[in-house]
Amino acid sequence: QVQLVQSGAEVKKPGASVKVSCKASGYTFTTYGISWVRQAPGQGLEWMGRISPNNGNKNYAQNLQGRVTMTTDTSTTTAYMELRSLRSDDSAVYYCAREAGGGYYYDWGQGTLVTVSS
Amino acid sequence: DIQMTQSPSTLSASVGDRVTITCRASQSISTWLAWYQQKPGKAPKVLIYKASGLESGVPSRFSGSGSGTEFTLTISSLQPDDFATYYCQQYSRYPYTFGQGTKLEIK
Repeated sequence: QVQLVQSGAEVKKPGASVKVSCKASGYTFTTYGISWVRQAPGQGLEWMGRISPNNGNKNYAQNLQGRVTMTTDTSTTTAYMELRSLRSDDSAVYYCAREAGGGYYYDWGQGTLVTVSS
Repeated sequence: DIQMTQSPSTLSASVGDRVTITCRASQSISTWLAWYQQKPGKAPKVLIYKASGLESGVPSRFSGSGSGTEFTLTISSLQPDDFATYYCQQYSRYPYTFGQGTKLEIK
């Protein structure tokens, strides 16, 4: 069965960077895009961007351009999301999700809590 | 960016009620719309894709309709397990965007 297993919780200081991993299994990694979605405490879902593992094509949310980088390693079937220059409002649960046909999400990681605090 | 606006933000209802949640897009997205259910501390779960397609394993009391800019999610007879937060998502064009959510509470 499809599994997306994310790395553990992180605590970072303002201005630092964080890199969250998402290990995929149970399907052909290069066939489906991986997106990243975050959710601040008590808030809604925010789409951050997506990457195609087969060719590396990326699309990022405008408000994160310049601070976020998404990558994949096809040899380990792992996706990564790095966010730089962290601010307190970046504190959130970060999810990776596998695109089903067309761009909605059937499979999700368990979420990674990132806390930004001085 | 395409803005997705859900209404209401909060909905109080009782077991057995029929409820409808609306999602409006700021421009036409054809039928490229999904609905998700999220419970506290859990990842979202897809219920409906392409506006009206029922995801496998999702109870038939859930249904979706609409096209263009206006969409609805209907739960025909609320069950205790349905009290959660619901989100719509457009995947017509990047950046994909979510509605702000509708919290379905027990009356």
